[in-house]
Amino acid sequence: QSVLTQPPSVSAAPGQKVTISCSGSSSNIGNNYVSWYQQFPGTAPKLLIYDNNKRPSGIPDRFSGSKSGTSATLGITGLQTGDEADYYCATWDSSLSVWVFGGGTKLTVL
Amino acid sequence: QVLLQESGPGLVKPSETLSLTCIVSGGSISNYFWSWIRQPAGKGLEWIGRVYGSGTTNYNPSLKSRVTMSLDTSKNQFSLKLTSLTAADTAVYYCARRTNGFYGMDVWGQGTTVTVSS
Repeated sequence: QSVLTQPPSVSAAPGQKVTISCSGSSSNIGNNYVSWYQQFPGTAPKLLIYDNNKRPSGIPDRFSGSKSGTSATLGITGLQTGDEADYYCATWDSSLSVWVFGGGTKLTVL
Repeated sequence: QVLLQESGPGLVKPSETLSLTCIVSGGSISNYFWSWIRQPAGKGLEWIGRVYGSGTTNYNPSLKSRVTMSLDTSKNQFSLKLTSLTAADTAVYYCARRTNGFYGMDVWGQGTTVTVSS
């Protein structure tokens, strides 16, 4: 059971938009920055979003992040088959003094 | 471009100690947070702990009694020791970097698979 809750899977058609939610509490998302990672099978996670809504260099603006209260959301527009991957949210938990990850969401582009 | 490379044994016996090293190339090891994260096959990510460039450490309480992390600035590398291994420690182990003041792990190693089995 992860401290951060994500839907196990989401799906959408190519070209469409999808959002992935990440729910936490005041000790983690509510008072700390959220980051998002993309992971393809057999490879290391890759940073997509940091500081809630900032994109590292090289990440297309099709990817966006937002946070409200104790929840965060990753948005992906103009879906491509190459976006099929697992997506994880993460943040620091001030009560547990640990980095916590969501359980991951598998994105299927139909 | 900063690159991270994990190294260590792929197979370890139960009750033994796992030792992994992450070599940092293309950049300094100082002034960054260096984490170890693991992922059992088919499961999610678990943060093991981190060491800062000054040598300060933070460990996941669930593993704290078995974990030691350290930094070697002369070799530009950091390490993980995990004792009293069980099959539950079988996973891909990643090292990763976080820049102070930025909240996201921006550089990851490719990961190394560790199997605990007799």
